[in-house]
Amino acid sequence: QEQLVESGGGVVQPGGSLRLSCAASGYTFSDHGIHWVRQAPGKGLEWLTVIWYDGSKEDYADSVKGRFTISRDNSKNTVYLQMNSLRAEDTAVYHCARIFGGDGYKGGVLDIWGQGTTVTVSS
Amino acid sequence: IQLTQSPSSLSASIGDRVTITCRASQGVSSYLAWYQQKPGRAPKLLISAASTLYSGVPSRFRGSGSGTDFTLTISSLQPEDFAVYYCQQLNSYPYTFGQGTKLEIK
Repeated sequence: QEQLVESGGGVVQPGGSLRLSCAASGYTFSDHGIHWVRQAPGKGLEWLTVIWYDGSKEDYADSVKGRFTISRDNSKNTVYLQMNSLRAEDTAVYHCARIFGGDGYKGGVLDIWGQGTTVTVSS
Repeated sequence: IQLTQSPSSLSASIGDRVTITCRASQGVSSYLAWYQQKPGRAPKLLISAASTLYSGVPSRFRGSGSGTDFTLTISSLQPEDFAVYYCQQLNSYPYTFGQGTKLEIK
């Protein structure tokens, strides 16, 4: 069964750091890019970042550019999201999702999603 | 690219036909997907490439459109369809989402 499981969420003070993990199973991990999407309490979905299937390229939303870094270890079937300089507005449930199809630059869909991990930024 | 969904919320009854629209601030060709999200759950893919029904999704869901204007139609609402629906463009980064449409029971 194809699935993604996030971990690493928690409570952190403003200005702090946290690293989230997204562990994949049930499919050939190195064949697919991974995206992160977050959802603040009571709000909609916000796309954050993507890493290509081979880790060769990344892209970020302006809201996290320069503070968040995505990486992957295909030997461990895991994607990481390093979050630095955290702000109260980063409080959200963070989901990772697999991209299926497309060429990396456009197209495809997010077909498999993890249940999410909660990040709370508060003093 | 900004995506604007309308309406933001909608009340309907079992058996009703409902339509949700998603308008893009610039053309996204057919690189648009629709997702359904229930409280406390991850989003689920319904429609890819504007009109392709994802595996296992009931045929009462239908997507259409291209360019800047898209619609998601549910032909006969079932109890399990009451949820929040999001569109997403995958034409260019950042892959933005619409603000969501909450579908509630009347």
